[in-house]
Amino acid sequence: GAGVSQSPSNKVTEKGKDVELRCDPISGHTALYWYRQSLGQGLEFLIYFQGNSAPDKSGLPSDRFSAERTGGSVSTLTIQRTQQEDSAVYLCASSLVQPFQETQYFGPGTRLLVL
Amino acid sequence: AQRVTQPEKLLSVFKGAPVELKCNYSYSGSPELFWYVQYSRQRLQLLLRHISRESIKGFTADLNKGETSFHLKKPFAQEEDSAMYYCALWSSGSARQLTFGSGTQLTVLP
Repeated sequence: GAGVSQSPSNKVTEKGKDVELRCDPISGHTALYWYRQSLGQGLEFLIYFQGNSAPDKSGLPSDRFSAERTGGSVSTLTIQRTQQEDSAVYLCASSLVQPFQETQYFGPGTRLLVL
Repeated sequence: AQRVTQPEKLLSVFKGAPVELKCNYSYSGSPELFWYVQYSRQRLQLLLRHISRESIKGFTADLNKGETSFHLKKPFAQEEDSAMYYCALWSSGSARQLTFGSGTQLTVLP
């Protein structure tokens, strides 16, 4: 079956604009994760969902970041008033049931560049 | 606060030699540790979890609570093992967080 997909694959935006990143997990996977990979900060974990619920949002870098998941499937990561330091590759992953207890399958990432 | 340290940014070994990628952590609770791998131009992958005591692609990692370490080992390195390796710690306490180390770029020389 299809793997994890993310869209867009690349996004260039101007500082101050809002962006929305989308993740389509593997069908039937209830756990979904967002990560960020940047040159300056390395690999960071942002947030995970168990179903539609995110138990802990403290990994989000600032209050400009938000994430939601609806219908236990698609998730969107929204960055408001983007800053240059938000430039990074945003990765999504999903796993079958229990967060961090099973193999995670990663998407190809969305490369975000904030000018 | 929890922390994960990978002291080697770069590591080179010859094909067939043993390889050990170091990972040390600090965490007051009971840790859950992971190794992730990213091959060149490929997606990030979860390599192994300490809780499952798996051996993936010949790699193993043992949690040593006394030394607070979770080193990744392989007895005979292969050229296809060249990749970026990240150690990570999951805390399931009041703040559920996954903390990554800075990564080790492994190069296996022919």
